[in-house]
Amino acid sequence: DGGITQSPKYLFRKEGQNVTLSCEQNLNHDAMYWYRQDPGQGLRLIYYSQIVNDFQKGDIAEGYSVSREKKESFPLTVTSAQKNPTAFYLCASKTGQGVLYEQFFGPGTRLTVL
Amino acid sequence: GDSVTQMEGPVTLSEEAFLTINCTYTATGYPSLFWYVQYPGEGLQLLLKATKADDKGSNKGFEATYRKETTSFHLEKGSVQVSDSAVYFCALSYNAGNMLTFGGGTRLMVKP
Repeated sequence: DGGITQSPKYLFRKEGQNVTLSCEQNLNHDAMYWYRQDPGQGLRLIYYSQIVNDFQKGDIAEGYSVSREKKESFPLTVTSAQKNPTAFYLCASKTGQGVLYEQFFGPGTRLTVL
Repeated sequence: GDSVTQMEGPVTLSEEAFLTINCTYTATGYPSLFWYVQYPGEGLQLLLKATKADDKGSNKGFEATYRKETTSFHLEKGSVQVSDSAVYFCALSYNAGNMLTFGGGTRLMVKP
């Protein structure tokens, strides 16, 4: 089955530690995205990548970093510089430009920083 | 900048009731409009979309019409089911781009 895998589903970390969230897709999509979801605030774009070895900051990139070494993978690192990292993180992917092409979402990772 | 505003939830309805979730947008151009649905503990799924003014998107009994004059894209369903309980997000994007701008989401709870 084609789809987007995010792991783990729940993640707990101590304050001050960096943590990396995994996102893998086998849909052969060129573009991949990371969103953060907080209660009542909808989704906000953290980073996106349209091709391998290239990525751009979204609206709330501070305190996060990404890499895109392979087409299938787009890991997100939440660094200790992120002031309020506890949130639900969603990865998405898309093939092609424009609204004719749908963004597909993964199941999400809920990060809790203790 | 562009923005999407949705009615605050939760919206609580009895089964078979009529549903309306309001969505209005502010945009500098002529965006396409979307409704996404998020079931508990899951990611988002595209429910329907409309790419130009007066278009109607429809899927699974849900409908929304792109109203340019009122900058709205309200979601409607004639008879909701318990299985429709979820969070619904309105969003916009431009044809030439890849970015989605989301509203805050509206939680729907349907009671049997």
